Amino acid sequence: GAGVSQSPRYKVTKRGQDVALRCDPISGHVSLYWYRQALGQGPEFLTYFNYEAQQDKSGLPNDRFSAERPEGSISTLTIQRTEQRDSAMYRCASSSAMAGGSNQPQHFGDGTRLSIL
Amino acid sequence: ILNVEQSPQSLHVQEGDSTNFTCSFPSSNFYALHWYRWETAKSPEALFVMTLNGDEKKKGRISATLNTKEGYSYLYIKGSQPEDSATYLCAFSNLGGKLIFGQGTELSVKP
Repeated sequence: GAGVSQSPRYKVTKRGQDVALRCDPISGHVSLYWYRQALGQGPEFLTYFNYEAQQDKSGLPNDRFSAERPEGSISTLTIQRTEQRDSAMYRCASSSAMAGGSNQPQHFGDGTRLSIL
Repeated sequence: ILNVEQSPQSLHVQEGDSTNFTCSFPSSNFYALHWYRWETAKSPEALFVMTLNGDEKKKGRISATLNTKEGYSYLYIKGSQPEDSATYLCAFSNLGGKLIFGQGTELSVKP
């Protein structure tokens, strides 16, 4: 597709369940980023990849959160044993340049709105 | 701790007014400063990426300047229109690559 695609758009699940959020970046984009965005706030960095390599996961809140990008394209953000505080918009972005020393913009997807009951 | 501050938090102007807002960021280990336009229920849209001290960029009625020595960037909108209503986000990156976003300035332009 032309833009960054995220699925599902909305996810409602019960506390304690695992969820997997998918990001399909713009074709050919090298770097991929995951952010979490609370209502009325700017995006908060979680992790990023250059190709399939996870370069920085310092923003992941705890070890229930993990991300992978095994073939350097589609990425999955997984949250295990979800808690109510995990409820937020999760956004993915991709860029044509390698992350780190990049002056290229990031292109954002529409996000997945996660609600934990 | 890397902190990006934006001011004002919100701004209400009349159609035709010109306006500007500020983004403050750490001046050490600076690599790039990004500006994004974000309409609620949509994804943030890239406006500018600036890397050099003194950079000025322009897109239509919107322009931005960068001062890396003192750690600030200004975004200007000339002759605001109702369709400019959105939240304007700035984000700082160092050589590490991740973007640190400010909380945004919410602009409302009344016809």
